[in-house]
Amino acid sequence: GAGVSQSPSNKVTEKGKDVELRCDPISGHTALYWYRQSLGQGLEFLIYFQGNSAPDKSGLPSDRFSAERTGGSVSTLTIQRTQQEDSAVYLCASSIRTGDNYEQYFGPGTRLTVT
Amino acid sequence: RKEVEQDPGPFNVPEGATVAFNCTYSNSASQSFFWYRQDCRKEPKLLMSVYSSGNEDGRFTAQLNRASQYISLLIRDSKLSDSATYLCVVSPSGGGADGLTFGKGTHLIIQP
Repeated sequence: GAGVSQSPSNKVTEKGKDVELRCDPISGHTALYWYRQSLGQGLEFLIYFQGNSAPDKSGLPSDRFSAERTGGSVSTLTIQRTQQEDSAVYLCASSIRTGDNYEQYFGPGTRLTVT
Repeated sequence: RKEVEQDPGPFNVPEGATVAFNCTYSNSASQSFFWYRQDCRKEPKLLMSVYSSGNEDGRFTAQLNRASQYISLLIRDSKLSDSATYLCVVSPSGGGADGLTFGKGTHLIIQP
């Protein structure tokens, strides 16, 4: 079946511009997550949605970052006034609970480059 | 102390050999544990969940030691296609609101 999809796959933007990244989770997965992975680094958890609500936004790196999810499906991650340190791969995952575990399935990511 | 620590490697292993990785975690409240694999410039893919009693999936065996706070992954009869970075992943709550905490990964190279 269809996996998690993300768009765009690559985005090059100038410093100071706003960008919007999109994630379409696996159908029926109620939980959605955003992570980012900088070059040579591990994955950094950003935010989690259960349905349309995000209980905890403290993982977002700064107030330039925001995320929303509507209709319990598609989510967008917006970065305002991008900085060079925002350059990374932004990964979205969705999950369904299996036993006591939420097994997460990742999309292919959006590679963001801020010049 | 890092939350999840792994030996970055690389581990260079001949095809057909058995290889094992360990990972340690610092949060004793962690409830759920996973191994993911990540190929170069690709997204992480779930390899297996790790259960308290240990579990096996084909050539892969995962073990959890809560007392010592480490997780292991054993790969038997390694194949060239096993070459990847293996990510140790833990979560306090099963991966819900807390998300997952990833190690930086162990790089495995299977040599012909």
